[in-house]
Amino acid sequence: QVQLQQSGPGLLKPSQTLSLTCAISGDSVSSNSAAWNWIRQSPSRGLEWLGRTYYRSKWYNDYAVSMKSRVTINPDTSKNQFSLQLNSVTPEDTAVYYCARAVYGGYSSFDYWGQGTLVTVSS
Amino acid sequence: DIQMTQSPSSLSASVGDRVTITCRASQSISSYLNWYQQKPGKAPKLLMYAASSLQSGVPSRFSGSGSGADFTLTISSLQPEDIATYYCQQSYSTPLTFGGGTKVEIK
Repeated sequence: QVQLQQSGPGLLKPSQTLSLTCAISGDSVSSNSAAWNWIRQSPSRGLEWLGRTYYRSKWYNDYAVSMKSRVTINPDTSKNQFSLQLNSVTPEDTAVYYCARAVYGGYSSFDYWGQGTLVTVSS
Repeated sequence: DIQMTQSPSSLSASVGDRVTITCRASQSISSYLNWYQQKPGKAPKLLMYAASSLQSGVPSRFSGSGSGADFTLTISSLQPEDIATYYCQQSYSTPLTFGGGTKVEIK
């Protein structure tokens, strides 16, 4: 059974950096058949995919173009986890953030999700 | 970016009713279409993948159909526990995108 456990602060001030971690159990961040994603949800923007990291003989990353200049997703093989960093946050980045696994045998659907972290950006 | 449009945005139906939700992509996505159910305060849950494949553990009253740009999620007999918001999502190309959601309520 795959489990994703999120951690990280829930309150930030504008211009700070959002940092979240997703610890994986029951699978490996280095799996050749999975990708590890960050998704956020807000009333104004709905569900929004931020990006992913995955390993296929080497590490790859894909990011949403709208976020590309501010977002970084990194794997940590020593701790079997991956992280999200979002720079220069504004109140518009207030959302629930989720990590999720996508498996390539399932048409890259998100079959396992973290519990979600409400991140509020406010001065 | 591929835009995903769901309709209706909300619906109200009686227990036992057949419920249909549609999702349209702004271009052909073959069968790279997934459906999720989300209850308040919870993460989305995968229901269907590849347009018509039922995720393990999901009740058989849920079914999906379609290919290309037009897709349908059907609940054959609505149950009280199906009250939730449903989302479609395309996995054909990045950026991966979601529909705006359909909120299902009991009449």
